[in-house]
Amino acid sequence: DAGITQSPRHKVTETGTPVTLRCHQTENHRYMYWYRQDPGHGLRLIHYSYGVKDTDKGEVSDGYSVSRSKTEDFLLTLESATSSQTSVYFCAITGGGVNTGELFFGEGSRLTVL
Amino acid sequence: AQKITQTQPGMFVQEKEAVTLDCTYDTSDQSYGLFWYKQPSSGEMIFLIYQGSYDEQNATEGRYSLNFQKARKSANLVISASQLGDSAMYFCAMSPTYNFNKFYFGSGTKLNVKP
Repeated sequence: DAGITQSPRHKVTETGTPVTLRCHQTENHRYMYWYRQDPGHGLRLIHYSYGVKDTDKGEVSDGYSVSRSKTEDFLLTLESATSSQTSVYFCAITGGGVNTGELFFGEGSRLTVL
Repeated sequence: AQKITQTQPGMFVQEKEAVTLDCTYDTSDQSYGLFWYKQPSSGEMIFLIYQGSYDEQNATEGRYSLNFQKARKSANLVISASQLGDSAMYFCAMSPTYNFNKFYFGSGTKLNVKP
């Protein structure tokens, strides 16, 4: 158990509304990530963080913002949700040692934008 | 640019037989890591195995082994003695080892194990 929790686990919202997904870790890891998973695309990186208040964009960052005010929390915000943002969102942390760096994932948050 | 290709959207295997899931990658980095993850129908992502680009031996973890052919840029996952619980989506991923903040995933292979 990598000690990662995501909330909410399921959310249905309407186009144009703001949405915030929360990722909380108990491992004190420096790196945290937000991915989205869509059929036929695998997982694609939205944003990641390499420390408190240090974040950077991934390959599909348009329409998303993130914040990390504490080591343990990484928030993903959709300022104005669109139907194309209907997806399953995964938070991840790097868990292993220096030589492996494997990701450990949260349980996912399923977001439906109507 | 990094790219991971999994050309098998779906596969079937008979229980107790071995199966190979294909993964090819494209990178200009000299040092990188290759990973396989399993996603059962319940949705969680489970780390299976890791191979470093400079590792001379193929990685093994229980019934999982990674057939690493560097010159061909392939990192196939071999599951021996398939079990019904192996039915899941499998994702290949790659990350430069100097920059573990960039992980690139393939589109996945859905494996079905038949009794």
